[in-house]
Amino acid sequence: EVQLVESGGGLVKPGGSLRLSCAASGFTFSSYSMNWVRQAPGKGLEWVSSISSSSSYIYYADSVKGRFTISRDNAKNSLYLQMNSLRAEDTAVYYCARARSTTGTTYWFDPWGQGTLVTVSS
Amino acid sequence: SYVLTQPPSVSVAPGQTARITCGGNNIGSKSVHWYQQKPGQAPVLVVYDDSDRPSGIPERFSGSNSGNTATLTISRVEAGDEADYYCQVWDSSSDHPGVFGGGTKLTVL
Repeated sequence: EVQLVESGGGLVKPGGSLRLSCAASGFTFSSYSMNWVRQAPGKGLEWVSSISSSSSYIYYADSVKGRFTISRDNAKNSLYLQMNSLRAEDTAVYYCARARSTTGTTYWFDPWGQGTLVTVSS
Repeated sequence: SYVLTQPPSVSVAPGQTARITCGGNNIGSKSVHWYQQKPGQAPVLVVYDDSDRPSGIPERFSGSNSGNTATLTISRVEAGDEADYYCQVWDSSSDHPGVFGGGTKLTVL
């Protein structure tokens, strides 16, 4: 069974840092691009970041660029999101999601993990 | 950056057909993917590449995409279909390629 399990969320003060992890199982992790998507309370989905299978290609949303760093360890089947200089508006459930594609020019997200809540508050 | 526009809400009676739209500039030239999210749960893919269904998704869910509008159609709507639905594209020409629509709340009357 393909499974993604996020961890590392919690309460952090503005300006603080947090590192999220996503443990993958049930598929060949090193063959897939991976993504982080977040959802603020009561709001819609916001794509955050993407990393290719070999970490050669990395993309960020403008809202997090320069503050967040996505990385992966294919030997450990794990995806990470290092979040620095956190702001109140970063408060959200953060999901990791596997990217799928048939053409290599468009990607969709399947499956998703259950999410981990990050709360930025003093 | 590319923008996707969805109606905030759609209502439909059980057994009827629900149509949820996703507007974008020349969206017909892109592949559109759709997700269902029920309260307290992670999103689930229901349609990819405009009109393909993942295994396990009922045939009642279908998609189309042309011009400036993509549409998710849910036939013979059931109470269990009540959820938020999001469209998504991958804008490969952009430095931030992941794009979601704002979401549509489907209410089954």
